[in-house]
Amino acid sequence: GAVVSQHPSWVICKSGTSVKIECRSLDFQATTMFWYRQFPKQSLMLMATSNEGSKATYEQGVEKDKFLINHASLTLSTLTVTSAHPEDSSFYICSARDPGGGNEQYFGPGTRLTVT
Amino acid sequence: GIQVEQSPPDLILQEGANSTLRCNFSDSVNNLQWFHQNPWGQLINLFYIPSGTKQNGRLSATTVATERYSLLYISSSQTTDSGVYFCAVEVSGNTPLVFGKGTRLSVIA
Repeated sequence: GAVVSQHPSWVICKSGTSVKIECRSLDFQATTMFWYRQFPKQSLMLMATSNEGSKATYEQGVEKDKFLINHASLTLSTLTVTSAHPEDSSFYICSARDPGGGNEQYFGPGTRLTVT
Repeated sequence: GIQVEQSPPDLILQEGANSTLRCNFSDSVNNLQWFHQNPWGQLINLFYIPSGTKQNGRLSATTVATERYSLLYISSSQTTDSGVYFCAVEVSGNTPLVFGKGTRLSVIA
């Protein structure tokens, strides 16, 4: 199946700083990628849809100025958590669809963010 | 929006036992996928199954789209099957997956 990577796998940052998370499709091009957030023992919640070459679409309740998404190429989307606070600590996961593989979506391994 | 309900929420099995996990959804879907989330958080694709039946080793899945449910069967369970199983659906093309709350499976030796 298609491979999606994320970097970093985990990050610890101080409150007030910004953190950038990268999501890459390794063996296919993705015009659309999705960003999810997962809190402990909960399901995945969609944060935003990342569109190559245009603005991201954010879900209700997700602050677009806090979670900056840039989809600069067909293989890379980035999520920047700005002015991070402890409540932003979570597991962030991206996904993408391989256009050559029908509608099946593939997920990155996730990034665990801890804000101290 | 579409609702996705999974049952049971938790399941404990003795190694070697069989189980059936269920996913109900409230509207027509374009895509349905089953995932296994391992202890490190990685989502492993199990099945892409908007309709019909598929089998992969000890796992099989059936989706009855007209009745809006899908089943995941695990046979001869092993301790490595432990983790959370998610069902996720897509309402139309190139839209995000909507996840159920998952079934947390523990297989004990």
